[in-house]
Amino acid sequence: DIQMTQSPASLSVSVGETVTITCRASENIYSNLAWYQQKQGKSPQLLVYAATNLADGVPSRFSGSGSGTQYSLKINSLQSEDFGSYYCQHFWGTPWTFGGGTKLEIK
Amino acid sequence: EVQLQQSGPELVKPGASVKISCKASGYSFTGYFMNWVKQSHGKSLEWIGRINPYNGDTFYNQKFKGKATLTVDKSSSTAHMELLSLTSEDSAVYYCGRYGAAMDYWGQGTSVTVSS
Repeated sequence: DIQMTQSPASLSVSVGETVTITCRASENIYSNLAWYQQKQGKSPQLLVYAATNLADGVPSRFSGSGSGTQYSLKINSLQSEDFGSYYCQHFWGTPWTFGGGTKLEIK
Repeated sequence: EVQLQQSGPELVKPGASVKISCKASGYSFTGYFMNWVKQSHGKSLEWIGRINPYNGDTFYNQKFKGKATLTVDKSSSTAHMELLSLTSEDSAVYYCGRYGAAMDYWGQGTSVTVSS
């Protein structure tokens, strides 16, 4: 199975700052990667697919990058509504595993 | 509007089985794989498996083989997941999610609590 190592596990950031979350795959996943945001008590919502493509309705302050085994989600000018947990998931070979998650707290 | 409406919370006894459902609307049900994901309390997400509603073909995470059984009812655009021989380790929220270049739409989740 492909392992997805996500970091950091948590961070506390002020509104307006920039945040970068990373995901490292145990082998090349050829950009078959998605990012999700999950708020407490809610289902995950798709942010980015195919490593770099924003899902419909996702604000442009979110961006995805990376290739091979290393991927990142960047949030520019953090807003208060961006708090929550973030997960990566790969879609290269099965099972389609998720990263361990990043809990983003707003200072 | 795409919607995935899951069945309500379940309280089940150890050793029993439970079947939860996910009713799809707003799109062609047979045109997209349906996935199931487990989230234990306070933990990350685990992909259970997927089903092709067009022909019923399934693929399971090895970890969930023998634990989960995925089926669909095309006549009602509903996907089902049956969880077998439940233990406390199966207590979690379970989500269905449509696969369209990632899991682009998710159900609201179904809480399963295993307790005597």
